[in-house]
Amino acid sequence: AAGVIQSPRHLIKEKRETATLKCYPIPRHDTVYWYQQGPGQDPQFLISFYEKMQSDKGSIPDRFSAQQFSDYHSELNMSSLELGDSALYFCASSLEFRGRRTDTQYFGPGTRLTVL
Amino acid sequence: QKEVEQDPGPLSVPEGAIVSLNCTYSNSAFQYFMWYRQYSRKGPELLMYTYSSGNKEDGRFTAQVDKSSKYISLFIRDSQPSDSATYLCAMSDGAGGTSYGKLTFGQGTILTVHP
Repeated sequence: AAGVIQSPRHLIKEKRETATLKCYPIPRHDTVYWYQQGPGQDPQFLISFYEKMQSDKGSIPDRFSAQQFSDYHSELNMSSLELGDSALYFCASSLEFRGRRTDTQYFGPGTRLTVL
Repeated sequence: QKEVEQDPGPLSVPEGAIVSLNCTYSNSAFQYFMWYRQYSRKGPELLMYTYSSGNKEDGRFTAQVDKSSKYISLFIRDSQPSDSATYLCAMSDGAGGTSYGKLTFGQGTILTVHP
């Protein structure tokens, strides 16, 4: 079965640079979530989109922005990168069923961002 | 204090043992409870999904939810070395809730099953 695809898998950037992470949800899934997982930490919710509209926002820095496109893929844009942004960034997707969100989220393999 | 508390372990057991993993939570609005397994440097893999209180069994895995005690458990029977991973509990306040499905995770328990 098709899974969530994330690209790139690894990314190395310098401080103050920008980065763009991409997420392709499972086909027909309409909701995308972004999470950040620091070393030895649990995933922290950043932001989510449903039907191309932002549906919820968590602890996402103002330096980060995201959007969902007409084909449901999503991009997380990160600017003015800091050392503390080094982490695994996961995308997850889910599907609304009969007007209710299933809340069963399937995660991608993640993008490992290293800021030097 | 975190909304979801999970003993980080590490937990080391011999092959064939029964493993018990637990989480407690403080937000009474949580209705959906999940267990994810995460191998090193990989994305979390959904293991079990439970709505409200009760038990759910899937092969060697059993998930229990006790909403009155705000306590959830995952049992692994006949544990195998391939079960060695980090196990994360996660929960949300449900479809249509104000959180729009965002998951709140526990810290994860590192499990090692040795042959």
